[in-house]
Amino acid sequence: RKEVEQDPGPFNVPEGATVAFNCTYSNSASQSFFWYRQDCRKEPKLLMSVYSSGNEDGRFTAQLNRASQYISLLIRDSKLSDSATYLCVVNKRDTGRRALTFGSGTRLQVQP
Amino acid sequence: GAVVSQHPSWVICKSGTSVKIECRSLDFQATTMFWYRQFPKQSLMLMATSNEGSKATYEQGVEKDKFLINHASLTLSTLTVTSAHPEDSSFYICSGASQGLTGTDTQYFGPGTRLTVL
Repeated sequence: RKEVEQDPGPFNVPEGATVAFNCTYSNSASQSFFWYRQDCRKEPKLLMSVYSSGNEDGRFTAQLNRASQYISLLIRDSKLSDSATYLCVVNKRDTGRRALTFGSGTRLQVQP
Repeated sequence: GAVVSQHPSWVICKSGTSVKIECRSLDFQATTMFWYRQFPKQSLMLMATSNEGSKATYEQGVEKDKFLINHASLTLSTLTVTSAHPEDSSFYICSGASQGLTGTDTQYFGPGTRLTVL
């Protein structure tokens, strides 16, 4: 079983739609959680951290459920520029090392 | 946000040659740098973690004699792919780690280096 699992998509949605991505992680020792965005042939860029209380940044809302080991990302009012691959990322402190484990990503295509 | 650069951004080389990739943190000191590899349509896979002034820690399955990592200063880490072969063709990305105010680690990614081995 992969450490971080995501639905690969693609999710094809019209502009203005609301779309939700889910992610599960297998290691209960995971301590930090993030959503990254990666455009084609580019490096990943941090979209937002995810906190247990849930957090919102503009049109983006992230939720964490530690009991279910589940992370979600909600995008409201989708824009064409939101088209990208969204990576669920988990940070696990292991013997002092800070290692990020990436999901394989969910591809979003927003259509006009 | 903090900036990390990588050089070169892309490289094409012949099989059997060695390629060096540089990763620099431009406006912060990265005590830890990470090297990742990403094959097409796959997720980033951590190759190794390097701390300034000490030997890198390699992930399982990554050959340390093939992927030489040097982290000589707080702003520079290098990855050398020795005797490269076509199966080493990939997107190599580095990141530098910065301890945030809350103690949460933040990694800043370089733009990546696309390696093609003929």
